[in-house]
Amino acid sequence: NAGVMQNPRHLVRRRGQEARLRCSPMKGHSHVYWYRQLPEEGLKFMVYLQKENIIDESGMPKERFSAEFPKEGPSILRIQQVVRGDSAAYFCASSPSRAPRGYGYTFGSGTRLTVV
Amino acid sequence: DQQVKQNSPSLSVQEGRISILNCDYTNSMFDYFLWYKKYPAEGPTFLISISSIKDKNEDGRFTVFLNKSAKHLSLHIVPSQPGDSAVYFCAATRYGGSQGNLIFGKGTKLSVKP
Repeated sequence: NAGVMQNPRHLVRRRGQEARLRCSPMKGHSHVYWYRQLPEEGLKFMVYLQKENIIDESGMPKERFSAEFPKEGPSILRIQQVVRGDSAAYFCASSPSRAPRGYGYTFGSGTRLTVV
Repeated sequence: DQQVKQNSPSLSVQEGRISILNCDYTNSMFDYFLWYKKYPAEGPTFLISISSIKDKNEDGRFTVFLNKSAKHLSLHIVPSQPGDSAVYFCAATRYGGSQGNLIFGKGTKLSVKP
């Protein structure tokens, strides 16, 4: 009975490298949402994807960040040329295609990215 | 621009007593409010939600109260247990906003002492 699976749990990158974070939604869920939590802050919405489609990327930084959810395999959040300010916990949530208003989204355990 | 505010960073309560966690918001277009609990090194776990057309929702030991005129909501936990010690986040969805786009507060760390 796997929930939302994220890997890796911890990721260390040097400045300028690329970071790839993976998220597999709960079984039966086809929609994925990425959030970022900076230290001492709440979670901030980044992007909403369904298979092969970006639905809402209003929270994504304009440069260096991209996300995809291919037909097969997990959703990937990619951060190119990482900087120290990208150090954060990145969480993924998933839902069925039609989540009712007030739906309690299920989150994964997150990936903690540290940029050194 | 903090649309969802949790002004108390921390709260300490004795086991068996009531915990009251508060949340204020500024956007009158919010249509649902949700509470999440988060343990260290884990993702947030959904607790309870309330529609903006209601003023109370209850689920076991958890009750959420909404005061729309004051743009204020609170989560009551009765009785509090040591396992409730966690960070609690208030979140909201905006009417017309996309699915899954939750706006979170910064959280309140609850400590329940035995």
